[in-house]
Amino acid sequence: EVQLLDSGGDLVQPGGSLRLSCAASGFTFSSYAMTWVRQAPGKGLEWVSVISGSGGSADYADSVKGRFTISRDNSKNTLYLHMNSLRAEDTAVYYCAKDQIMGIAADYNWLDPWGQGTLVTVSS
Amino acid sequence: SYELTQPPSVSVSPGQAAKITCSGDALPKKYAYWYQRKSGQAPVLVIYEDSRRPSGIPERFSGSSSGTMATLTISGAQVEDEADYYCYSTDSSGNHRVFGGGTKLTVL
Repeated sequence: EVQLLDSGGDLVQPGGSLRLSCAASGFTFSSYAMTWVRQAPGKGLEWVSVISGSGGSADYADSVKGRFTISRDNSKNTLYLHMNSLRAEDTAVYYCAKDQIMGIAADYNWLDPWGQGTLVTVSS
Repeated sequence: SYELTQPPSVSVSPGQAAKITCSGDALPKKYAYWYQRKSGQAPVLVIYEDSRRPSGIPERFSGSSSGTMATLTISGAQVEDEADYYCYSTDSSGNHRVFGGGTKLTVL
């Protein structure tokens, strides 16, 4: 059974940094791209970032580009999201999700399954 | 930027059919995917590639797409189907991923 376990969420001050983790099991981790999606309080889902199975390619939403960095350690079956220069509007539950292909192409690709989410709160 | 538009809410009585729409200019050429998110839980894929149902999803869930609109239909909605539903797709370039704004389904 494919399982994704998100962790690392915390209360952080504006301008601060945080690293989220997603531990994967039940599939060949390096064969699939992985994605981060977030949901701010009272808002809808927002796609954040994707990384290829090899880790060699990545893409970001404009709202986080230059501040967030996605990475993965295939030897540990773990996905990361490094968040810098955090803003109040980054407050959200962050979910990791498994793509259906190795590359970061969006076509013919979807997210399934998802982790349970981890809460990031940016506030002074 | 590309947008997918959903109605904010849909309300039906138990046993009635619930239809949730998602409109987007690229939908004639791009697949739509549907996610169910119950309160406090992770999103769950209920329809992929416009109309395909993952294993384990009840048969009452179906999807269709015509022109610029994709539709999720829950035939005979149950109280346990109350949730937020999100469509997901890409823009015409296939490079940018986007979620619809979400539709709150109430069954009562």
